[in-house]
Amino acid sequence: DGGITQSPKYLFRKEGQNVTLSCEQNLNHDAMYWYRQDPGQGLRLIYYSQIVNDFQKGDIAEGYSVSREKKESFPLTVTSAQKNPTAFYLCASSMGIDNEQFFGPGTRLTVL
Amino acid sequence: ILNVEQSPQSLHVQEGDSTNFTCSFPSSNFYALHWYRWETAKSPEALFVMTLNGDEKKKGRISATLNTKEGYSYLYIKGSQPEDSATYLCGLDSGSARQLTFGSGTQLTVLP
Repeated sequence: DGGITQSPKYLFRKEGQNVTLSCEQNLNHDAMYWYRQDPGQGLRLIYYSQIVNDFQKGDIAEGYSVSREKKESFPLTVTSAQKNPTAFYLCASSMGIDNEQFFGPGTRLTVL
Repeated sequence: ILNVEQSPQSLHVQEGDSTNFTCSFPSSNFYALHWYRWETAKSPEALFVMTLNGDEKKKGRISATLNTKEGYSYLYIKGSQPEDSATYLCGLDSGSARQLTFGSGTQLTVLP
């Protein structure tokens, strides 16, 4: 089946450690996105990529890094510089920047 | 950062009632408006992508209208069912940064 997978579903890390969240899609979509959700807030864009080997910062990119070496993969690294990393992280993809986005199931990161 | 507002924040309706909620956005920053439904424990799924002023789109019992001149979109649900219970998100594409700015959502609960 075509879709977007994120792993793991739950992730626990100690403060000061970097952690990488996985996002893979087999929809042959060019564009991919990373969002963060905090309680009572909407989705906020961290990074997005319109095409392989290219990505742009979203509204809250500080403390995060991404790579887009393959069309189907867009991993997000939460670095120790991110001051409040505990959140729910959603990955999405779309055929192009104008199209509806398809979302993965999300990863809940808790930093202890 | 653009201001996209959704109201109400939450509402409860009885099964069979029709309901509607609002997404407001700066009319000067419009390229497209996306609506998504996010059920608990599932991924957000796209409902509509709207681009033209006066546009009306429909999917089953759910429809949406768009007024780009005054900066709002309405989402209507006719004859609400318990399975319509979800958070409904709108996202504005302003066309400049080519990213979606989401509102905080309207959480709908349909009581049987």
